[in-house]
Amino acid sequence: QVQLVESGGNLVKPGGSLRLSCAASGFTFSDYYISWIRQAPGKGLEWVSYISSSGSSIYDADSVKGRFTISRDNAKNSLYLQMNNLRAEDTAVYYCARWGNSLGTFDIWGQGTMVTVSS
Amino acid sequence: QSALTQPASVSGSPGQSITISCTGTSSDVGSYNLVSWYQQHPGKAPKLMIYEVSKRPSGVSHRFSGSKSGNTASLTISGLQAEDEADYYCCSYAGNNNFVVFGGGTKLTVL
Repeated sequence: QVQLVESGGNLVKPGGSLRLSCAASGFTFSDYYISWIRQAPGKGLEWVSYISSSGSSIYDADSVKGRFTISRDNAKNSLYLQMNNLRAEDTAVYYCARWGNSLGTFDIWGQGTMVTVSS
Repeated sequence: QSALTQPASVSGSPGQSITISCTGTSSDVGSYNLVSWYQQHPGKAPKLMIYEVSKRPSGVSHRFSGSKSGNTASLTISGLQAEDEADYYCCSYAGNNNFVVFGGGTKLTVL
């Protein structure tokens, strides 16, 4: 079935780095835009980053610009998020989500992976 | 990026109808018919309920409907059921500057 599965979440110290992965299955991954969206504990959803189907176009939220890098490997049906210089406020569940047929519509979500930034 | 404004909570009894508002600006909700709504149960991933203001994905109940007027979008749930109790988030495309913005979320309680 159509599915996204995140991995790589962990406990990391402030200033540290982490790489999240998202494995896609059940659909033609290379046809779709994908985003990372996060949710801090007890808080709402926050869009983090976007990558086009080919990987040629990328947009990041101001809160992560210069620190996080989204990328994808269409041959491996995988999405990544390289997170550097992590801060306490980056603590959240990170979801990868597939863009549907219209801009800003996320039709398939993964189950999420937890990132905790704490000393 | 600033969040869209939603009420923190709404409630209703089984069988009743409720409406959740989502107020943005002329740069997001007001400029694009690209508002979507997501349902999230505790500990679960969000689920798409409405897209492009008023369209329902396959499998979503007809009890869920969406609309928009100016800078405010709305989600209406009719015939409330216990399983509708969840958090609901609106989302709007916001162009190349802010790209995508979410609302702060609304907790729906079915009394």
